[in-house]
Amino acid sequence: GDSVTQMEGPVTLSEEAFLTINCTYTATGYPSLFWYVQYPGEGLQLLLKATKADDKGSNKGFEATYRKETTSFHLEKGSVQVSDSAVYFCALSEPNAGNNRKLIWGLGTSLAVNP
Amino acid sequence: DTGVSQDPRHKITKRGQNVTFRCDPISEHNRLYWYRQTLGQGPEFLTYFQNEAQLEKSRLLSDRFSAERPKGSFSTLEIQRTEQGDSAMYLCASSHPSGRQETQYFGPGTRLLVL
Repeated sequence: GDSVTQMEGPVTLSEEAFLTINCTYTATGYPSLFWYVQYPGEGLQLLLKATKADDKGSNKGFEATYRKETTSFHLEKGSVQVSDSAVYFCALSEPNAGNNRKLIWGLGTSLAVNP
Repeated sequence: DTGVSQDPRHKITKRGQNVTFRCDPISEHNRLYWYRQTLGQGPEFLTYFQNEAQLEKSRLLSDRFSAERPKGSFSTLEIQRTEQGDSAMYLCASSHPSGRQETQYFGPGTRLLVL
């Protein structure tokens, strides 16, 4: 079945450091790919998405490119801030019978940014 | 648009009791999803509604679990005879059908603790 693998955390960085969180996927078809973020004490928020090969999703300085050849969707940010401290989840969706676009999730990567 | 809301935010119950959670989706969204998230894990799909029809249930959803969406608007998730293993965060998400662009928006979750 479909699956998502994320690099394990926790990741600890200093402010203004470069961030990469690796995400690879296995899917039978052609999924849409997402990054969600969960700040402490809050719900899941969509960070960015990409729906076809070579698409780049971007938001709040974060970027991820849909790489079909390597089945990857790595999250990057050039200069992290303390306020980026959160748990980041990579997820995919593809429709099945009944058009259910349920999300398949990675385990999440915790990021802590120190001042 | 106030986003997806869930009630209650926290629930503590004793083993064997029944609990019911409510989810109010974004008003124009006709798709509604329930997920469960345990500590250190990504969310796991439980069930999916399109309007009032429950179109898919995960095998994770034992016969103690039931979900409804009687008028195609809010949804309830009931757990009967709760067990300690039911302790988790229960997440609700809603979406509007838009093919590959479909994006699920999440509520803050209901955190359940079974003693």
